[in-house]
Amino acid sequence: GIQVEQSPPDLILQEGANSTLRCNFSDSVNNLQWFHQNPWGQLINLFYIPSGTKQNGRLSATTVATERYSLLYISSSQTTDSGVYFCAVEHGFNKFYFGSGTKLNVKP
Amino acid sequence: GAGVSQSPRYKVAKRGQDVALRCDPISGHVSLFWYQQALGQGPEFLTYFQNEAQLDKSGLPSDRFFAERPEGSVSTLKIQRTQQEDSAVYLCASSLLGGGGNGYTFGSGTRLTVV
Repeated sequence: GIQVEQSPPDLILQEGANSTLRCNFSDSVNNLQWFHQNPWGQLINLFYIPSGTKQNGRLSATTVATERYSLLYISSSQTTDSGVYFCAVEHGFNKFYFGSGTKLNVKP
Repeated sequence: GAGVSQSPRYKVAKRGQDVALRCDPISGHVSLFWYQQALGQGPEFLTYFQNEAQLDKSGLPSDRFFAERPEGSVSTLKIQRTQQEDSAVYLCASSLLGGGGNGYTFGSGTRLTVV
């Protein structure tokens, strides 16, 4: 199967700081999504981004499919941004493969 | 409904007990997926339905795991003779179209603990 690697595995930020999370994948993909898993376990869809760049408030994402990576940018981080960020890629029909996540802790 | 609903939220089972986990997808969503998330890991694919048809069950870890979606809406994941290694969060997701083109919406999951 496809390999999905996320970095860094852990990240501690002071409130207000910016950060970049990275997702590398080992093969071509049909789709890519970024999720935020909050402390209660809920997976929230942030971006559906198989290619290109999207922005939503303080968050933005860029996927360069030809180079097999995606980046998630968080600007002016807030404590509510804490949780685990997952990248998931669709490889094959309707089968998403998740990375192991980046655990973010934003301190006040 | 407004979102994907899963029940129960938490389940404690004695080893060897059978359990049934329910997923109620977003109304009208064609595709339904089950994932298993072990502690500290990303979710792993279990199975996929398009309407009532189970098109992919390659991720089910053993024949003790069984999923159904008889009327193309609500789905049940059944685990027979639970083992400690089955302890995990079981996540359900649904998607509007047959492909993943619109992205997935996940439920809050069922946390299964086998003691």
